[in-house]
Amino acid sequence: NAGVTQTPKFRVLKTGQSMTLLCAQDMNHEYMYWYRQDPGMGLRLIHYSVGEGTTAKGEVPDGYNVSRLKKQNFLLGLESAAPSQTSVYFCAGSQQVNYGYTFGSGTRLTVV
Amino acid sequence: RKEVEQDPGPFNVPEGATVAFNCTYSNSASQSFFWYRQDCRKEPKLLMSVYSSGNEDGRFTAQLNRASQYISLLIRDSKLSDSATYLCVVNEYGNKLVFGAGTILRVKS
Repeated sequence: NAGVTQTPKFRVLKTGQSMTLLCAQDMNHEYMYWYRQDPGMGLRLIHYSVGEGTTAKGEVPDGYNVSRLKKQNFLLGLESAAPSQTSVYFCAGSQQVNYGYTFGSGTRLTVV
Repeated sequence: RKEVEQDPGPFNVPEGATVAFNCTYSNSASQSFFWYRQDCRKEPKLLMSVYSSGNEDGRFTAQLNRASQYISLLIRDSKLSDSATYLCVVNEYGNKLVFGAGTILRVKS
């Protein structure tokens, strides 16, 4: 019973490098979300998806891209990492927003 | 103005105390409301939904005042294990939730 799984859990990147964060869910969630969490700022929405093949921008989308080719997977890409992207990234899924979200355990990313 | 505002705390209380957290939201059309709990270096987890009539789950009571756009969480008989950050969460529109920055609770023996 995996729920929402994020990989990797930790990563250190050099400025300018690229990487992809994977979010996988086995809960049949229609909706999936990527958030970043920074001290004192709470969770901020980066991108989200309302179903397979769909993506949309959230509050802080610049510097990130996403894809949802399969319903169970939601990928977050950083094409050219910057120190400002040092953060904790959380993926979440939901069947219906009235039920709240289920979060993955997070990815701690440091860009040096 | 932030969409969801919370007192960041920290609230330092002794075991057994009653503590209350408040939260205000800006969008009067908001429909769904939640409290999440987040432990240090962990993901947020749903604590409880908040209903218009108010609702209780064991030692936890949540209330909603739509007229004042205000949500509260009351914790009775605080335990050491209640120490965490409590996030106020609101569905403003569509299928997106907006999170407050959180209120830190520290329960001490």
